[in-house]
Amino acid sequence: DTGVSQDPRHKITKRGQNVTFRCDPISEHNRLYWYRQTLGQGPEFLTYFQNEAQLEKSRLLSDRFSAERPKGSFSTLEIQRTEQGDSAMYLCASSLGTRNEKLFFGSGTQLSVL
Amino acid sequence: QKEVEQNSGPLSVPEGAIASLNCTYSDRGSQSFFWYRQYSGKSPELIMSIYSNGDKEDGRFTAQLNKASQYVSLLIRDSQPSDSATYLCAVMDKFYFGSGTKLNVKP
Repeated sequence: DTGVSQDPRHKITKRGQNVTFRCDPISEHNRLYWYRQTLGQGPEFLTYFQNEAQLEKSRLLSDRFSAERPKGSFSTLEIQRTEQGDSAMYLCASSLGTRNEKLFFGSGTQLSVL
Repeated sequence: QKEVEQNSGPLSVPEGAIASLNCTYSDRGSQSFFWYRQYSGKSPELIMSIYSNGDKEDGRFTAQLNKASQYVSLLIRDSQPSDSATYLCAVMDKFYFGSGTKLNVKP
């Protein structure tokens, strides 16, 4: 499978717990993006990487959120001290690496915070 | 004002009709615009991109861009029930997506 892969598909956690999601982009893609989507809304930009460098991060992103892409391949998104408002679908996407490139999305990780 | 605005719909059209989906954006300097389709419970998938004023056609889809009016549209000709989905307008200079318009194509 050469698509964007995300793990896990579903995550249920209790408020206050930390969670970590993983994304494996398409192998030749240099850019990797994280978005969050809630029901009835479009994807909300969180952050993106060019290789291992995190180039932009949404102003709306709480300090509880952190993302890494240590070797420019897979990426992880960690949410610390989860809140019920963090419940959403977390989408990862990748692109070849020039600006304005089309994004290929993974299937997402559905997070439910109880 | 949201960066990208779309009518949430639903927009209902009969099979075979033309569906017209609209989007406005706030940043006058934006250069790149995309339309994505998202089926319920699935991830967005790219339909078309457009960068220059005017029309761009790809099969049954036509994207239209008017930078002076800060307006992007997507026309779907000969709409099929399989086109029923949410259509997301994206302004990729800023990584923004609209909230999407739900399209229902009735057989």
